[in-house]
Amino acid sequence: KAGVTQTPRYLIKTRGQQVTLSCSPISGHRSVSWYQQTPGQGLQFLFEYFSETQRNKGNFPGRFSGRQFSNSRSEMNVSTLELGDSALYLCASSYESGGGDEKLFFGSGTQLSVL
Amino acid sequence: SQQGEEDPQALSIQEGENATMNCSYKTSINNLQWYRQNSGRGLVHLILIRSNEREKHSGRLRVTLDTSKKSSSLLITASRAADTASYFCAQGDSGTYKYIFGTGTRLKVLA
Repeated sequence: KAGVTQTPRYLIKTRGQQVTLSCSPISGHRSVSWYQQTPGQGLQFLFEYFSETQRNKGNFPGRFSGRQFSNSRSEMNVSTLELGDSALYLCASSYESGGGDEKLFFGSGTQLSVL
Repeated sequence: SQQGEEDPQALSIQEGENATMNCSYKTSINNLQWYRQNSGRGLVHLILIRSNEREKHSGRLRVTLDTSKKSSSLLITASRAADTASYFCAQGDSGTYKYIFGTGTRLKVLA
């Protein structure tokens, strides 16, 4: 069974640009979550999707958005990039819950550097 | 912030020794999970302990939970160099569909 796949693995962008990150969950998993990881703030919840519906969004500005497709694949978009957006963006999938008593399966992440 | 805290922030031990890391959380929980992260990679689930459990074992891992103190500990026995990683606790909240992760403990096991 293939794991969670995130692309690209590394991204370098400049301030003001926008970026789209992609995540393919484990087959059969319908919940996809996104987390931002920085050395200073640790892992912060961005949003969670289930069956193409966003069920929760973390405390991030509107520049951060996401969506989920009918095949459960998910994308997140960050517009008007700022230096502080430099981080490791992690995608995680689970069968249903995203926050209950299921374990999360993580991808390897996308390392975003904003110059 | 609801973020849990872990201590120590960093831990360095010799191979064969035991490693203990602690997690404190702020809100009531349904369960607490522990994850491992190798440098710059995704997290890997280690173990889940439910709020009505006090102790759980998985191989060389032992997790305890004290809901009265809102704390949990992870013990890794007979550590190996391959255990070098960051360890995070995470509290799940089925009502909000998110996990709140602790600040993590960086473990270094010296061969």
